[in-house]
Amino acid sequence: SYELIQPPSVSVSPGQTAGITCSGDKLGDKNVYWYQQKPGQSPVVVIYQNTKRPSGIPERFSGSTSGITATLTISGTQPVDEADYYCQAWDNDYVVFGGGTKLTVL
Amino acid sequence: EVQLVESGGGLVQPGGSLRLSCAASGFTFSSYWMHWVRQAPGKGLVWVSRLNTDGSAPKYADSVKGRFTISRDNAKNTLSLQMNSLRVEDTAVYYCTRVYCTTGGGCYFDYWGQGTLVTVSS
Repeated sequence: SYELIQPPSVSVSPGQTAGITCSGDKLGDKNVYWYQQKPGQSPVVVIYQNTKRPSGIPERFSGSTSGITATLTISGTQPVDEADYYCQAWDNDYVVFGGGTKLTVL
Repeated sequence: EVQLVESGGGLVQPGGSLRLSCAASGFTFSSYWMHWVRQAPGKGLVWVSRLNTDGSAPKYADSVKGRFTISRDNAKNTLSLQMNSLRVEDTAVYYCTRVYCTTGGGCYFDYWGQGTLVTVSS
């Protein structure tokens, strides 16, 4: 079955740039989506179709893809961005989530 | 305002059954594919099942195939998940979520319920 691999954790200082990667076989051929989940809350999409930002999501969130890796970048990271982040893709009509990355802002 | 409200979670013994419901409001429910996604305590998101607009084409993760049944009642704006032969590893928060497809062809989960906790334990 298809797998998406994310680092378990990423740390960043406030104001710095955080990058969270997501890797999978032939991921460059798929659309990648990113969700943010804060403790006790439901997930919220922050990036769709690799690079697009839904309305209401701050401009500091951006997405990119290169080869088998997709990257969620948070520029000027703020303490409020501390959360779990999940990448997601579709594989043969099935939904696949990455294992999630805990972003710590310290 | 779009709302998805899950209910039906609770404590059940291994081998037991439970039926989850998701009440949808604020949008034309019959126009959207709907999914269930679960999250075990302290773990990541895992896709469970999906259903197309008229309920004719369900799909399931291998881990629940043959045990769970997804259904919908478009007249009542309700999505359901019948869970049979429950296992300890089915313990999770179950989210109901709507899929939105863009004109560019990408589809993503744009609204999620608050989740309902299912605990399978003896």
